[in-house]
Amino acid sequence: DAGVIQSPRHEVTEMGQEVTLRCKPISGHNSLFWYRQTMMRGLELLIYFNNNVPIDDSGMPEDRFSAKMPNASFSTLKIQPSEPRDSAVYFCASSLDRSNEQFFGPGTRLTVL
Amino acid sequence: KNEVEQSPQNLTAQEGEFITINCSYSVGISALHWLQQHPGGGIVSLFMLSSGKKKHGRLIATINIQEKHSSLHITASHPRDSAVYICAVGSARQLTFGSGTQLTVLP
Repeated sequence: DAGVIQSPRHEVTEMGQEVTLRCKPISGHNSLFWYRQTMMRGLELLIYFNNNVPIDDSGMPEDRFSAKMPNASFSTLKIQPSEPRDSAVYFCASSLDRSNEQFFGPGTRLTVL
Repeated sequence: KNEVEQSPQNLTAQEGEFITINCSYSVGISALHWLQQHPGGGIVSLFMLSSGKKKHGRLIATINIQEKHSSLHITASHPRDSAVYICAVGSARQLTFGSGTQLTVLP
């Protein structure tokens, strides 16, 4: 298995632009997590899905952030409009079940100018 | 007070030394995770445990539920163990992370 796949690996955009991050979980995993990592705040859980359904989005910072999981093999995290303070590394992870070991993707480094 | 506290924040050791990283938490949990983040940024899950002890190669993780404390031990440390080690505690709906321990193992 290729592991968790994220794209793009790097994204540089200007303030106000829409940004879409993509994640393909490991086949067969039914839980998917989106995390954000910054120097100031470390790792933070943004949202997680179980069987394609968003279970807890309390970590999503504000309405500019939205996440979808249209099917078991694909999820997106969208920021619209983006702001410089959104600059961070965004990780996607998947697991066989909510309480199982999580496998992390390589992350997307987002820079908003 | 942070819900998850790790110590030390930074640790430098000589190759071969026995290393201990500690994690204390203040919330009720269903499981505790130890993660390793390499200098390149990739994150690997090392352990997930809810009681007792787990061992994988030179790594050992223990947890004491009553004391709300976990330790990660590395035996016979090697420069390739240099990384940030992150403790995360999971409840029914939330995963909370410690700030990480930067480990440097010198040859």
